[in-house]
Amino acid sequence: AQSVAQPEDQVNVAEGNPLTVKCTYSVSGNPYLFWYVQYPNRGLQFLLKYITGDNLVKGSYGFEAEFNKSQTSFHLKKPSALVSDSALYFCAVRDKDRDDKIIFGKGTRLHILP
Amino acid sequence: GAGVSQSPSNKVTEKGKDVELRCDPISGHTALYWYRQSLGQGLEFLIYFQGNSAPDKSGLPSDRFSAERTGGSVSTLTIQRTQQEDSAVYLCASSPRGGAGVGEQYFGPGTRLTVT
Repeated sequence: AQSVAQPEDQVNVAEGNPLTVKCTYSVSGNPYLFWYVQYPNRGLQFLLKYITGDNLVKGSYGFEAEFNKSQTSFHLKKPSALVSDSALYFCAVRDKDRDDKIIFGKGTRLHILP
Repeated sequence: GAGVSQSPSNKVTEKGKDVELRCDPISGHTALYWYRQSLGQGLEFLIYFQGNSAPDKSGLPSDRFSAERTGGSVSTLTIQRTQQEDSAVYLCASSPRGGAGVGEQYFGPGTRLTVT
């Protein structure tokens, strides 16, 4: 079965600095990888995904993620953090061995400090 | 177009009562998921449907929880004899199985359940 891991419960970054939220995965075959965001008191939203092609994927709100096959990672990045980026971020993978079920990581809370 | 809708948005019930939560997915989405989220916490997977069948029910916490999906569309999550630990936000998401949006989940606003 496929799985994802988010090793950090919380990440603190000063406004204007680059941010990284980590995600590693364990899959058989080629992975489908996703990032979702949950802003305070709002629903979960899709940010970006990797299926194939360019290892650097660009998504909403200036976020991007880099697929690294050798390190089995799919870290979320942004060059310059905004206070409004403070939210709960989830990494996810599609489990082809379980009828395409989407598996979520436990989430990482991102705090951008003004 | 219309997104995923859930009803009711809020439900307060007494311990021991049964509740039904409804999810209307995006038209044409074959996959439907139910999750539970306690305040500010991660997502707890409950059950997953592909069409009307549920390949994975492994997340249902107990036999008090059940879910069904009819016509490949609307789904109902039923909790019998509710307990205080059932209090949480119940989220529904739908997803296309193929095409450009494959794997992308679209979440509803959730039902906030409070068991008193």
